[in-house]
Amino acid sequence: EDQVTQSPEALRLQEGESSSLNCSYTVSGLRGLFWYRQDPGKGPEFLFTLYSAGEEKEKERLKATLTKKESFLHITAPKPEDSATYLCAVLSGGYNKLIFGAGTRLAVHP
Amino acid sequence: GAGVSQSPSNKVTEKGKDVELRCDPISGHTALYWYRQSLGQGLEFLIYFQGNSAPDKSGLPSDRFSAERTGGSVSTLTIQRTQQEDSAVYLCASSVKEAGELFFGEGSRLTVL
Repeated sequence: EDQVTQSPEALRLQEGESSSLNCSYTVSGLRGLFWYRQDPGKGPEFLFTLYSAGEEKEKERLKATLTKKESFLHITAPKPEDSATYLCAVLSGGYNKLIFGAGTRLAVHP
Repeated sequence: GAGVSQSPSNKVTEKGKDVELRCDPISGHTALYWYRQSLGQGLEFLIYFQGNSAPDKSGLPSDRFSAERTGGSVSTLTIQRTQQEDSAVYLCASSVKEAGELFFGEGSRLTVL
């Protein structure tokens, strides 16, 4: 059974304090790994897609990386506006549905 | 509209009543998904529509849940004889083709008393 586990559940950072969020996965035939951002009371917003081990994607202060077992979302010099829940999801096998992790709640304080 | 539209945004109902939740996807998006998000939990897949193909209903938790998509556009998720455990945010998403880069609506928050 496909599984996605995110850690930590919650993370508190000071503004400017860089850190990483982890997404580990167990799937049969990874077709893609996806990162989304979710603000309170809103639907998730797409950030990145990674397809193969070694791939990296960047957007502003965020960089996503992928290995054969996990993905990291690196946040460099975060700002309070980066506070949100970050969700990881996988697409596997012959299915067309994303399997989501429970998310990491990030709070960045000034 | 520019994005995925869901209604109602909030629904409070009594246990045993039926509810209908509506989703209007982005124009031109052929794939439509329903997910459920309970408090503090990740997103749980419910059902997937792609064009004229038979929907993937593998995530529906019981036969009280059903969904349809009319004319390849608007979708309605129906929950019959609601239970308290059905309380959650129901999210609809659409995409141009296959799953992955999904565009989500803001959700319908359902509270069953």
